[in-house]
Order: sequence, then structure tokens, then C-alpha cells
Amino acid sequence: NAGVTQTPKFRILKIGQSMTLQCTQDMNHNYMYWYRQDPGMGLKLIYYSVGAGITDKGEVPNGYNVSRSTTEDFPLRLELAAPSQTSVYFCASREPGHGTGELFFGEGSRLTVL
Amino acid sequence: GDSVTQMEGPVTLSEEAFLTINCTYTATGYPSLFWYVQYPGEGLQLLLKATKADDKGSNKGFEATYRKETTSFHLEKGSVQVSDSAVYFCALRGGGADGLTFGKGTHLIIQP
Repeated sequence: NAGVTQTPKFRILKIGQSMTLQCTQDMNHNYMYWYRQDPGMGLKLIYYSVGAGITDKGEVPNGYNVSRSTTEDFPLRLELAAPSQTSVYFCASREPGHGTGELFFGEGSRLTVL
Repeated sequence: GDSVTQMEGPVTLSEEAFLTINCTYTATGYPSLFWYVQYPGEGLQLLLKATKADDKGSNKGFEATYRKETTSFHLEKGSVQVSDSAVYFCALRGGGADGLTFGKGTHLIIQP
């Protein structure tokens, strides 16, 4: 049972380059999230999706885009990379409804922008 | 808006010491509360949770009680091990589409 899978695990970008962080889950969860983790700052929500075709902004969406064409996949796109986007990115998912709200996380993608 | 405040780290303890990591929250109503743990180089794993006031979550010797009077969810363990060294995050259910709102994390270092 793979759970939430993120690729790549590590990436170095030059300023102005673009890339996509991939996230896929095999738990048939409708709800998916992207967070970024910066040292001493906890996790901040970038974007989320409540189902295929539906996405919305979180707390820190600037510089990012997402799409959700299938239940399984929720890629995060960086169009013009900036040093401020150097961070560790986590994808997460959960079941819908009014359960406990537990999120299941991927192992993270460490991005460095130089 | 909702927020979580947890004690700053790093917290350094000797093996077999008693652990407390403080966590308080601000929220509308009584959201579910969580402790997640992040081992070096890994993602976040759920450690324990509590869904209503006075609930006690427990796992792997860790415990936390949901205290609505003090809006707190402090993490405790009676005897820590070197393998408990990690970053611990307190979180509440809230935010965009009911994701989680996290504290800043507490880095715990256990020395042999």
C-alpha cells in the first residue's frame, strides 16, 4: 500500500526555471493538499483540492499553480522559480466528510532555487 | 483565525527523562487536535489525536489530553529514548477545506 507518493525527492532549480512536483495517492481520497515547510515556521498551506476538477488557494499560493484532473493526482507547478521558493514541499490527502480529519503525508520534495 | 502555539526548541533531554511539549490553540469551537512526528529526512506521521474535549490520545508511550478549559493539548512521555529524537508538530483541524493548521514544530533531541 503506497499511500501518498511524491516525486522528485530532491531538485535544484535556477532562478526563473519552471518545474512540476508530482503527487499521487492510492487511497481514493477526495481531499488533497500541498504544504510547504520552512525551518522554524511549521507547515503552510499552498493549495488544496476537494475533488477532481476543483482547486482552491491556501495561505501562501503566490508563485504556484495546481490542477486536479483525476482523484489520484495533484501536481504542483512552479512557473518562475525564485529563491523564496526554496523549501520542503509536502503533499497530503484525507477522506472526505466529518471524520477525525487525519491527513496522510508523502515523504516530501526538497527544492532549492539558486 | 485558527492558530497553534507550541514551545520553541530545540529541547534536549537525557534518555529515560520525562518529556512535556506544550501546545495551546486558538480556534472557533472544538476542533480535532493532533500530534504529528517527523523523523529526520522523512514526512510527517500521525502520532496521536483527540477528537473532543477530555479525550486522551496515546501511542508509543506518548499521551496528550484535550483540555478545552485551558485550550491545550500538551504532549507527554514518561521515559524518552534516543529513537524519539525528531520534530514534533501540534495541529488542529481547520483552515482551507478543513486541512490542518500547524504549530511551528519542536525539535526534540535525546542524548544517550
